[in-house]
Amino acid sequence: QSALTQPPSASGSPGQSVTISCTGSSSDVGAYNYVSWYQQHPGKVPRLMIHEVTKRPSGVPDRFSGSKSGNTASLTISGLRAEDEADYYCSSFGGHNNFVVFGGGTKLTVL
Amino acid sequence: EVQLVESGGGLVQPGGSLRLSCAASGFTFTSHWMQWFRQAPGKGLVWVSLISTDGSTTHYPESVKGRFTISRDNARNTVFLQMNSLRVEDTAVYFCARNLFYDSADVWGQGTTVTVSS
Repeated sequence: QSALTQPPSASGSPGQSVTISCTGSSSDVGAYNYVSWYQQHPGKVPRLMIHEVTKRPSGVPDRFSGSKSGNTASLTISGLRAEDEADYYCSSFGGHNNFVVFGGGTKLTVL
Repeated sequence: EVQLVESGGGLVQPGGSLRLSCAASGFTFTSHWMQWFRQAPGKGLVWVSLISTDGSTTHYPESVKGRFTISRDNARNTVFLQMNSLRVEDTAVYFCARNLFYDSADVWGQGTTVTVSS
């Protein structure tokens, strides 16, 4: 059982926007502004898409954005494209006793 | 080119040991904390360990604490994961990654497969 809760699946049509949630607690997501999002295509290595809640690494399209409210972080993908179809994982700093916690992942389908 | 290359995976019996290695290149290794993650077949990502730039600070989740040890050799730009008392549930692809900030990892290796089975 993952420390962070994500919906198992999400979907959207090309061009639409989709938001994936990541719910933690006051000990992780709610306590720190250290939430990351990863994209993973089948058989591939995870790719960092968002770190520190809202920051995009170089090379990540600005269609990807992150936010947080209370104990819930969110990843929004606007202008959906076929290549966005992948698994998405959130992670959070959980304090020095549980440094990194993950969500169980969300499978995004582009219809 | 920034690169991480893992090695050392394989088949081991329950209770056995393995030592994974991760060779880094293309960046200043001594400036970055490093970490290991794993992913069991068909399952999600799990954080396994984290080590500071000089190796003096390490962190582990409860699931591997006391069994796994992360270390690094800055002269060889290599990070290691010593895994002892292996269990069937440790079966996974193990990824080495460069830490960016706290929980985030911005560079990942291709992974090495560990199978624990009798």
